[in-house]
Amino acid sequence: SQQGEEDPQALSIQEGENATMNCSYKTSINNLQWYRQNSGRGLVHLILIRSNEREKHSGRLRVTLDTSKKSSSLLITASRAADTASYFCATDPAYSSASKIIFGSGTRLSIRP
Amino acid sequence: DAGVIQSPRHEVTEMGQEVTLRCKPISGHDYLFWYRQTMMRGLELLIYFNNNVPIDDSGMPEDRFSAKMPNASFSTLKIQPSEPRDSAVYFCASSQGQGFLHSTEAFFGQGTRLTVV
Repeated sequence: SQQGEEDPQALSIQEGENATMNCSYKTSINNLQWYRQNSGRGLVHLILIRSNEREKHSGRLRVTLDTSKKSSSLLITASRAADTASYFCATDPAYSSASKIIFGSGTRLSIRP
Repeated sequence: DAGVIQSPRHEVTEMGQEVTLRCKPISGHDYLFWYRQTMMRGLELLIYFNNNVPIDDSGMPEDRFSAKMPNASFSTLKIQPSEPRDSAVYFCASSQGQGFLHSTEAFFGQGTRLTVV
């Protein structure tokens, strides 16, 4: 079963604009990660935020985590054509001693030149 | 390290045949995950191993699916007999650790695109 749900399912913006994607999840977590997938390729890790962190930055990426609302957001600033891809949030649920990584349904991001 | 290596990259087989997908994780990684990706169901976690031991196989769809990890550098996912609804991209991923204190990123292979006709 999927733990996370991304919103929106699809997003199309102009190059140079900022892109914001949201993720909601159902249970308490140890951490939340964001991944990117280019068409026909494997997933690539972008950033990891732990449950005791509220915000994290990496280059043009900014991730926030609100554990009280069970939600996270990924902001990509100054978007480029190369950012066109699907973006997934993934959670490591804290309800079990067995750790795993469960992915959401993804957001398809298109950057218009 | 060359990353997570999966083989084959593409597999076309007839319904009823046995299919074996292979994965070589990154050396030193303690966790190995098998995922299936389809348009309808997205990315599903099928099974994962910690130190070669299967920890959670609740995502394995049915008894036709089985996975093994005989050593730290090799894992297989087997489907017997295969059915058209098994058509999907199967990903293997590995990571150094999980849990609150030891969470690390997962590295994915390029996937195996399976088509069952």
